[in-house]
Amino acid sequence: AQSVTQLDSQVPVFEEAPVELRCNYSSSVSVYLFWYVQYPNQGLQLLLKYLSGSTLVESINGFEAEFNKSQTSFHLRKPSVHISDTAEYFCAVRWPMNYGGSQGNLIFGKGTKLSVKP
Amino acid sequence: EAGVTQSPTHLIKTRGQQATLRCSPISGHTSVYWYQQALGLGLQFLLWYDEGEERNRGNFPPRFSGRQFPNYSSELNVNALELEDSALYLCASSPMTSGMETQYFGPGTRLLVL
Repeated sequence: AQSVTQLDSQVPVFEEAPVELRCNYSSSVSVYLFWYVQYPNQGLQLLLKYLSGSTLVESINGFEAEFNKSQTSFHLRKPSVHISDTAEYFCAVRWPMNYGGSQGNLIFGKGTKLSVKP
Repeated sequence: EAGVTQSPTHLIKTRGQQATLRCSPISGHTSVYWYQQALGLGLQFLLWYDEGEERNRGNFPPRFSGRQFPNYSSELNVNALELEDSALYLCASSPMTSGMETQYFGPGTRLLVL
């Protein structure tokens, strides 16, 4: 079955500490992977994505994620977080067109609430 | 360039009523997706429209329906509202070509059913 698992529902960290938000997916075929961020009372913003090529992808605000095919993971990391990174982070997977029932839409993990404390 | 817009931002209805939510995609995008973000249930896919046609549907009852207009904007209709329909409804748009395109989300419509 197609599924996306975010292992931690909440991650509290202190400012300037490193953080890793974990994401695993279940699939027998290659997929497209995304991380979205949701600030309070807002919609989702794309953070970064992996479609193909280099397994390490970076965003403009210091986040990076590494695609690991053998472990079917796409963990999100940042070496030093800021108060402004406090938000909920969603991992999402999109299967190739015409694969099973997930045609075109994203399947989301349950989300991880990152809380950065001073 | 304007992003995805949604209206209204908030909507309050009572059980049994109908709700209509609207979405305008980014200019040039032909695909519109609807997702429900309910407390405790996460983000769930509702509907996908492209070029005016419904392309895929999530696991929701038929009282959730919608349409896409010739200008690619979209409406989501929820009939016979139930308390558990209270949620943030997010619309996203993308160009429809190979399927690898990013979906860009609007700010959402928060529906409260009393």
